Amino acid sequence: DAKTTQPTSMDCAEGRAANLPCNHSTISGNEYVYWYRQIHSQGPQYIIHGLKNNETNEMASLIITEDRKSSTLILPHATLRDTAVYYCIVRVGGGSNYKLTFGKGTLLTVNP
Amino acid sequence: GAVVSQHPSWVICKSGTSVKIECRSLDFQATTMFWYRQFPKQSLMLMATSNEGSKATYEQGVEKDKFLINHASLTLSTLTVTSAHPEDSSFYICSAVGHMGGYTFGSGTRLTVV
Repeated sequence: DAKTTQPTSMDCAEGRAANLPCNHSTISGNEYVYWYRQIHSQGPQYIIHGLKNNETNEMASLIITEDRKSSTLILPHATLRDTAVYYCIVRVGGGSNYKLTFGKGTLLTVNP
Repeated sequence: GAVVSQHPSWVICKSGTSVKIECRSLDFQATTMFWYRQFPKQSLMLMATSNEGSKATYEQGVEKDKFLINHASLTLSTLTVTSAHPEDSSFYICSAVGHMGGYTFGSGTRLTVV
């Protein structure tokens, strides 16, 4: 699976949008971009995923550049409970035998 | 939505004893489950892939005789840490994959070996 690069940490004010970037310049045509987050001492939580179109759900929006070499996860109105480590993962989509490989992620701290 | 239950959430055991951790998919069948380990301030490290009815596939450097994985049914996988030592103290997390390919993680098990 393609390697990803994320900033180590970011800060965001409560109520503001949090924009988390991810670089995946070696992504292949059949690889999806997945985002998970891990709140301290809990298991990871799925947020969103996409192939090439922008995606939005109740948690976040995912913006993927046209060349697919980078993406941005957007939390439109960050709350204190969004403080977590956010992982951007690229992997081949579908099937049940494709393992998720986690990088170091971005520690997002939402400040009051 | 899909729910994965992991039990126990924390356990303290004496050095040399064995500990079993259970991972159950509550409302879906999971032919594949993954086991991860996470040390403090580090990312999740994949230990093994568990497939129902067959032997687990271990990642390089993970001792299969020390970390026994059993996936006896489509809703249950267990990880047994045998002859635990203090260096095995870690946060163990399982993940189950549903038929649509979605990954759901358990809440993790904090193992402390004293």
